[in-house]
Amino acid sequence: SQELEQSPQSLIVQEGKNLTINCTSSKTLYGLYWYKQKYGEGLIFLMMLQKGGEEKSHEKITAKLDEKKQQSSLHITASQPSHAGIYLCGADSNQGGKLIFGQGTELSVKP
Amino acid sequence: SAVISQKPSRDICQRGTSLTIQCQVDSQVTMMFWYRQQPGQSLTLIATANQGSEATYESGFVIDKFPISRPNLTFSTLTVSNMSPEDSSIYLCSSRQGPGELFFGEGSRLTVL
Repeated sequence: SQELEQSPQSLIVQEGKNLTINCTSSKTLYGLYWYKQKYGEGLIFLMMLQKGGEEKSHEKITAKLDEKKQQSSLHITASQPSHAGIYLCGADSNQGGKLIFGQGTELSVKP
Repeated sequence: SAVISQKPSRDICQRGTSLTIQCQVDSQVTMMFWYRQQPGQSLTLIATANQGSEATYESGFVIDKFPISRPNLTFSTLTVSNMSPEDSSIYLCSSRQGPGELFFGEGSRLTVL
């Protein structure tokens, strides 16, 4: 079965600094999704990547999918306290539309 | 996009009791799923809720413990039966209409004493 590994598991950065979160799959990715979760709340969709080499940006967040479609990165530029939360990558399992998720990366941004 | 409402948003229950969580989507959707998020953990898929038929459960989850209903294309329920403290989690309803984004409800935070 497919597994997703995220790194790092947790991250503390100073406000204004850049950071990168990685998501590595044990199998080829057919769709890779990034979500953000504030503590104890639902998931907010950030971006979806499907093609090898694809890159998408929204505000200060950029996500990339590598050419081999087995690794994705999420980059935040000039981090702010509002970026704090848990970032989760999810992948299409290719079985009935369900997603499997990585273990999450907990981001704290210090003012 | 789909807006998903879950009820209750949180509850505290006694060991041995059962709780039913409701999930309402504001539009007809093809796929509905139930996930569990244990404290400090990621999301684990419990089952796919199938409209008009029995849910499809993932390994480690059984119908007797987590009965699911889906009477139509906009509504589903998840029951957590005979609860124990280990069932304390956030339960999340999600929906999807074809390929693309998986939408989530706000979650139902369950604490079992």
